[in-house]
Amino acid sequence: GDSVTQMEGPVTLSEEAFLTINCTYTATGYPSLFWYVQYPGEGLQLLLKATKADDKGSNKGFEATYRKETTSFHLEKGSVQVSDSAVYFCALRGRGNQGGKLIFGQGTELSVKP
Amino acid sequence: GEEVAQTPKHLVRGEGQKAKLYCAPIKGHSYVFWYQQVLKNEFKFLISFQNENVFDETGMPKERFSAKCLPNSPCSLEIQATKLEDSAVYFCASSQSNTGFTYEQYFGPGTRLTVT
Repeated sequence: GDSVTQMEGPVTLSEEAFLTINCTYTATGYPSLFWYVQYPGEGLQLLLKATKADDKGSNKGFEATYRKETTSFHLEKGSVQVSDSAVYFCALRGRGNQGGKLIFGQGTELSVKP
Repeated sequence: GEEVAQTPKHLVRGEGQKAKLYCAPIKGHSYVFWYQQVLKNEFKFLISFQNENVFDETGMPKERFSAKCLPNSPCSLEIQATKLEDSAVYFCASSQSNTGFTYEQYFGPGTRLTVT
């Protein structure tokens, strides 16, 4: 079945450092790909999305490019802030008879120190 | 409303008791999804609805879990005879449509269920 694999955390960075969180997927067909962020004690917020190969999703300085050839959707940010500390989830939404449910990776906790 | 609303925020039940959780989707959204977050990070899909019809229930533990979305009422997720392993945060999400599979899901704040 479809699945998502993320790099293990926690990831600890200093403010203004470069961030990469790796995400790879296994899916039939052409899924839509998402990054969600969960701040402590809160629900999930959509950070960015991409719906087809070579699409680049971007929001709040974060970017991710849908790479079909490597089945990847890595999250990047050029300069992280303390306020970016959260758990980041990569997810896919299958097509066909998947019913639209999201399949999540295991989450990567990011801690940014001043 | 403009946000997915979930009640209660916290729920504590003794093992074997019933638990009922509620979700009001964003107005105009036709699809409702329930997810279970255990062990802090792991999300598991439970069930989805298209209006009041079950759309996908492949994730539901059918022996004790049930869910409904009735017209003009919040959707509900009910767990009969709760077990310790049901302790988790239950999230509801809604989306406008599944057409083209491009519509994002908006998540509620979750209900934390603790089974003692």
